Amino acid sequence: EDQVTQSPEALRLQEGESSSLNCSYTVSGLRGLFWYRQDPGKGPEFLFTLYSAGEEKEKERLKATLTKKESFLHITAPKPEDSATYLCAVRNAGGTSYGKLTFGQGTILTVHP
Amino acid sequence: DVKVTQSSRYLVKRTGEKVFLECVQDMDHENMFWYRQDPGLGLRLIYFSYDVKMKEKGDIPEGYSVSREKKERFSLILESASTNQTSMYLCASSPLGGYTFGSGTRLTVV
Repeated sequence: EDQVTQSPEALRLQEGESSSLNCSYTVSGLRGLFWYRQDPGKGPEFLFTLYSAGEEKEKERLKATLTKKESFLHITAPKPEDSATYLCAVRNAGGTSYGKLTFGQGTILTVHP
Repeated sequence: DVKVTQSSRYLVKRTGEKVFLECVQDMDHENMFWYRQDPGLGLRLIYFSYDVKMKEKGDIPEGYSVSREKKERFSLILESASTNQTSMYLCASSPLGGYTFGSGTRLTVV
């Protein structure tokens, strides 16, 4: 069974204080690792997809990296508007999975001005 | 811009009522999903559909059913709502990769 564990559960940063969120996974053949951002009361918003170890993607202050066992979401010089819950999910290579994703429980990021 | 639209942002229903949550996507995606999201439990898959009139149970299907009569519409049905079904319900669609989510429906059962 696929498993995704995110840490920490909650992270408080000062504006400008860089840090990383972790996503550890076990999956029977990875066919994609996905990062989402979710604001309170809203649906998750897609950020990145990573497919193979060593791959990196960047968007503004966010950078996602992938190894064979985990992914990191690096936040450089965060701003208060980066405050949100960040979700990690994996898709396995199973033939009958129909694109089903398994999600972690998320990291709640709060950036103080 | 692609869209997944959930018909209601907030709903309040009484115990025992039959509840319909509607979801429509405009991307011609084959796969559609219903999740519920609860604090401390994350997103849990209720049902998904990979084609019209096709459906598969997810991890927590008890107390729910679904309908997919047209490709763009996927409905979640609570046959007899109970207080433990109070939750945020999220619909998503996907070609075979990352999801596009709707805005969610916050359902309260009293």
